[in-house]
Amino acid sequence: AQKVTQAQTEISVVEKEDVTLDCVYETRDTTYYLFWYKQPPSGELVFLIRRNSFDEQNEISGRYSWNFQKSTSSFNFTITASQVVDSAVYFCALRSGGSNYKLTFGKGTLLTVNP
Amino acid sequence: DTAVSQTPKYLVTQMGNDKSIKCEQNLGHDTMYWYKQDSKKFLKIMFSYNNKELIINETVPNRFSPKSPDKAHLNLHINSLELGDSAVYFCASSQDLSDAYTFGSGTRLTVV
Repeated sequence: AQKVTQAQTEISVVEKEDVTLDCVYETRDTTYYLFWYKQPPSGELVFLIRRNSFDEQNEISGRYSWNFQKSTSSFNFTITASQVVDSAVYFCALRSGGSNYKLTFGKGTLLTVNP
Repeated sequence: DTAVSQTPKYLVTQMGNDKSIKCEQNLGHDTMYWYKQDSKKFLKIMFSYNNKELIINETVPNRFSPKSPDKAHLNLHINSLELGDSAVYFCASSQDLSDAYTFGSGTRLTVV
């Protein structure tokens, strides 16, 4: 069985602050894939990043960065210099063979960036 | 062109009715999915089809029946709608086992 835990239900920051969204996952498979999705108030689900279990390199894309650590089974997401448009629900998700490769989501973290 | 399109976007109906939600993808993906997002934003898989074959069928009431006429379409039919069926239903597709899902824009179903 696989599981994704996003312990932070809601986070509120002021614009330009840095914020980190935590994600901890559980799987017995050695090959798996981790994802982050964004769901803005308009409701669509927007893909942000995919990471496979063999690639622990951190990734940076503009103000977004991701820290993948297999030793702690974590895949955390940091937004630098947050902006109001970053306000959304962010989901961490996992795919692995042990669960027929279905995408299992965490419960999401609601990020509110205040001006 | 929309990659994964769902219709309708909103659906309001009375308890006991039967309704369908349609989904089409033009990405050439082999696998399609239905997810349910409840009022607390929790996303849970319902069904998955690969090349018209059912491969995932989670614990879903048998009032819900998916139908895939071809690999580009996956429709969801719901019989005898109940209040608890009110949710946002998302269709998605992916190319292979490691691929990210591409989601449709969702169908907000309200049962009154």
